[in-house]
Formats: sequence, C-alpha cells, structure tokens
Amino acid sequence: GAGVSQSPRYKVAKRGQDVALRCDPISGHVSLFWYQQALGQGPEFLTYFQNEAQLDKSGLPSDRFFAERPEGSVSTLKIQRTQQEDSAVYLCASSLLVWRSYNSPLHFGNGTRLTVT
Amino acid sequence: SQQGEEDPQALSIQEGENATMNCSYKTSINNLQWYRQNSGRGLVHLILIRSNEREKHSGRLRVTLDTSKKSSSLLITASRAADTASYFCATADGGGGSEKLVFGKGTKLTVNP
Repeated sequence: GAGVSQSPRYKVAKRGQDVALRCDPISGHVSLFWYQQALGQGPEFLTYFQNEAQLDKSGLPSDRFFAERPEGSVSTLKIQRTQQEDSAVYLCASSLLVWRSYNSPLHFGNGTRLTVT
Repeated sequence: SQQGEEDPQALSIQEGENATMNCSYKTSINNLQWYRQNSGRGLVHLILIRSNEREKHSGRLRVTLDTSKKSSSLLITASRAADTASYFCATADGGGGSEKLVFGKGTKLTVNP
C-alpha cells in the first residue's frame, strides 16, 4: 500500500514551544527509525523502535527529545522547549523485519521540515 | 556522527555521461547501501552490497566495494536529467557495536540536459 507518511510536512515553531511530529510507517513494518537531517548534511540517527520497544535512543541530542511508538505502529517524535539548533528535517524510516544490519533496506518518509524562529 | 564520506561533494555532468561517486568509511561493516534523495523528499534505497561482495549491478547502477581500502564507488551510466539528486552511502556497523545505519554527507549530482 502507501509508503511511510509523515505529518506535518512543515512546522514553524517559536523558540520555547513544544512540537510533535508524527510518523505512519508502512503497515506491518516491525522496525522504525527517526533521523535528523541538517541542511546540506546526511541523516543523523536519533532513535530506533522494534515494534513498541525503543531499543536504541543513543542519538537523541538531549532530554528535550522524546519518541514513542505505543502500539507498535504510529510513532511520535516530541521536542520540548524547541531551540534554533533544532531546525532541521526529521525523517522517519521503517523496515519490514527486525532490524539487523545485514537485512532489508529502509523505507523513508518525505520528512517534516522544522523551523524554529 | 557520520561514518561515510562521499567524494566529490558536488558533481555536474551532461546528460548521457557517466557519473562516479566514491564513499570511504572507517569501521568494519556488514554491508554498504546507497540511497538517493531528491530535493525536499525522503531517501530512496538504490542498492545494497554485502561485505563479501566486490561488485553489484542494478540497471544503470554499478557498485563496487573494497573492504581492504574501506571504500565503495557508485557508477551511474548514461545519466539522465532525472538522476539529478543527492546520493548517500550508508554503512551498518559490523564490529559488534550498534547496528544502526550511518549515513555520509552525500554527493550532490546535477545532470544537465
């Protein structure tokens, strides 16, 4: 069916505001990733879910960043008290299988472009 | 942190020419993947080459991997204007560390009609 869907497509937030970014992965995909992509750079890993379990959150830049996937499908990335350095594109990706580095590729959404003013 | 380093950072060619992009990485890997990103869009998987493979083809794409030099190259033959995009290599750690996919900074390819 449809690919990975992310909303909103664009988000402008005033510094200090909280934001919530949504990711709808491909139905049935077990693995879900969040990446942050600054302008002109490659994606940087933030966090990884296997079903509802958050197995790796080593890339979250601070405790202002929080991600959840409570029912093992839709995921939300929340950023509290946004700062200008949070401005970036946030990409969600999913993969059919339990993630191992030697198996299936990632399917990416088109991202949410966050601008903090 | 980003492991892969693509070279060149930007490449501009004429339609019909071949485009070659290189990627170098630092640690041992299980596989290396190449992705394409059109402006304002997400990444699209192009090809995966395993650490025990040396060359792989997919349509107009040819990927090579040299684990002794920790490098890979992506060749796009007979380029088209629609190939204009940024290309990223991504590696998965094979050294027992986290298996997350780590991307390079990318090569921005422009194919002029």
